[in-house]
Amino acid sequence: QKEVEQNSGPLSVPEGAIASLNCTYSDRGSQSFFWYRQYSGKSPELIMFIYSNGDKEDGRFTAQLNKASQYVSLLIRDSQPSDSATYLCAVRLTGGGNKLTFGTGTQLKVEL
Amino acid sequence: DVKVTQSSRYLVKRTGEKVFLECVQDMDHENMFWYRQDPGLGLRLIYFSYDVKMKEKGDIPEGYSVSREKKERFSLILESASTNQTSMYLCATRGYGYTFGSGTRLTVV
Repeated sequence: QKEVEQNSGPLSVPEGAIASLNCTYSDRGSQSFFWYRQYSGKSPELIMFIYSNGDKEDGRFTAQLNKASQYVSLLIRDSQPSDSATYLCAVRLTGGGNKLTFGTGTQLKVEL
Repeated sequence: DVKVTQSSRYLVKRTGEKVFLECVQDMDHENMFWYRQDPGLGLRLIYFSYDVKMKEKGDIPEGYSVSREKKERFSLILESASTNQTSMYLCATRGYGYTFGSGTRLTVV
C-alpha cells in the first residue's frame, strides 16, 4: 500500500461546477496535510494546508480532513479553466520529521 | 515571499559526466530538500538537509550526493550521470509547507 494515494484522473468537470479531489494516507498518526497545484511544466505551489479534523476554507478552496477514515480532500468551488492542473496531496508522516510524502497527483480538467 | 532559485532550467549532459545542480534560498530556512519527479511516480525524495554541513538520505539516494556548505545553498551532485537519471529535479525549502524552485529538467544522453 502506498503511503499517500490519489486517483490519477483525469477528473473532468464543467466550468462553474465543484471539483472534488481525494487523497488517502496509510499512517494513522500523520498530523499535517498539504495540497499543491502544479501546472504542466511548472513546479508545485502550495494551495493550503490542514492540521485538524473538519473543514478549512480559503476563497474557492476547501480542504476537508477526516483522520478516523484517513482521508483528506480538496473542494474547488466555481471551477475555472485556469484551475486545470495536477493537484498533489502531501502528508507529513509520523516520525518523518520535516519531510513530506507526496501522492502522485490527480489531473483536473475544467471544461468550457 | 520566499524565493528558491535553481541555477538551470534545462540541462543536457552525457553519460558518465559529473553533474551539479544548484539551489539557493533567500529566507534563512534551515530545511532544504531535493526531489525528482517522474511521470506516474510522483515526487520522490533524494536527499535533505536540516542544517549546514548536515545531510540525510531520502528514499532514492543511490547515484546522488549533496553538499551544504552554506545555509542558503544546497547542491545535488550526480557523481556519474546515467540515462535513468533523466528527470525533473526540484529543490524545496521548508517554511509553511514547502516552497519549490522552478525545477531543472535534466536529460542524460
